Amino acid sequence: QQQVRQSPQSLTVWEGETAILNCSYEDSTFDYFPWYHQFPGESPALLIAIRPVSNKKEDGRFTIFFNKREKKFSLHIADSQPGDSATYFCAASASNAGAKLTFGGGTRLTVRP
Amino acid sequence: EAAVTQSPRSKVAVTGGKVTLSCHQTNNHDYMYWYRQDTGHGLRLIHYSYVADSTEKGDIPDGYKASRPSQENFSLILELASLSQTAVYFCASSAGGKNTLYFGAGTRLSVL
Repeated sequence: QQQVRQSPQSLTVWEGETAILNCSYEDSTFDYFPWYHQFPGESPALLIAIRPVSNKKEDGRFTIFFNKREKKFSLHIADSQPGDSATYFCAASASNAGAKLTFGGGTRLTVRP
Repeated sequence: EAAVTQSPRSKVAVTGGKVTLSCHQTNNHDYMYWYRQDTGHGLRLIHYSYVADSTEKGDIPDGYKASRPSQENFSLILELASLSQTAVYFCASSAGGKNTLYFGAGTRLSVL
């Protein structure tokens, strides 16, 4: 049972375009939604996170859009650069679930120059 | 800088053998986690702990045991390794359930 679903599995965009990565979840008690990125041969690292007190979180070129009603959230990477090429994981956790952070299956992003 | 150290970095084990993966953190974090990474499945939580001498089951605990003898150390034990346990294993620590996870470099385990 996959509680956090991610799409697409892979995505290729040209340099300068906006990459859009999508996630959906089932558990309505989830209240924390981070995105991690992982470069080849490296460990995952936190990129940006949102708590649903708002429906948008920005950090430079990275923006999370959150839709509580539809149980969806997405990561938009504006002005994509070749250095953004990595695997991106969305995740979710709930206040009543202790420390459990559930990850999606990942999106492999390739940015072509 | 957060520091999570895993050992070994890679290991080849035989089916049915015992494997112990170790993790040490110097972040003074209460929470520690073991995740498994397989292509197409992302990161799946095996076991986690929020206090020494206590562990909790994650989403895929079957075939794994965990041990947290101190705040700094968290081990993952495969008593009877199986082919299906071939994967990359990541240890992580965090200050709390809603805080950033800091991952170790990973252990690549191959069970033959």
